[in-house]
Amino acid sequence: QKEVEQNSGPLSVPEGAIASLNCTYSDRGSQSFFWYRQYSGKSPELIMFIYSNGDKEDGRFTAQLNKASQYVSLLIRDSQPSDSATYLCALQKTGGFKTIFGAGTRLFVKA
Amino acid sequence: DTAVSQTPKYLVTQMGNDKSIKCEQNLGHDTMYWYKQDSKKFLKIMFSYNNKELIINETVPNRFSPKSPDKAHLNLHINSLELGDSAVYFCASSQDQTARYEQYFGPGTRLTVT
Repeated sequence: QKEVEQNSGPLSVPEGAIASLNCTYSDRGSQSFFWYRQYSGKSPELIMFIYSNGDKEDGRFTAQLNKASQYVSLLIRDSQPSDSATYLCALQKTGGFKTIFGAGTRLFVKA
Repeated sequence: DTAVSQTPKYLVTQMGNDKSIKCEQNLGHDTMYWYKQDSKKFLKIMFSYNNKELIINETVPNRFSPKSPDKAHLNLHINSLELGDSAVYFCASSQDQTARYEQYFGPGTRLTVT
């Protein structure tokens, strides 16, 4: 079982819809969770981070963490064509130094 | 002002050659990383340095050797290049090695081995 699992997609949503990206992880010792966005040919950039169970909102983005079920999700409201990218879920374990990335989910927002 | 810079951006070379990639960050961060992203976009940690000290050394061939002359620079030297080394290599930095800080990535170096 991979440490971080994401559906590779592509996930296609119409402009203005809610895009829901999901990520599951295997190690209950995971502490910090990150969502990075990567445009084609570009480097990853941080969208959201979350440490505690529940929801965290930042503009059109909401990260949700459920440690009991070992999943973290990212909701993008009012999706725009400019949101089309690969979204990487990442985590760090308690006491660990390295960030483990999922393989990413490709999102297409159709105008 | 570029926060994390890498040179070169593209590198095309033949099997068996030795090449280096340079990375510099001007964010004042303590920790720097090298990642490899393969054709399937999977981003995997290779090495990490904290204040010039190696803290992460993943299972990579010993043909790969990182060097950190100071905490603002982390270079990657690759000996005897192989076809399978073709990938995009990203340098990144973070404030420190704890779990709570985001990583800032450089623009990447696309290495093609022919």
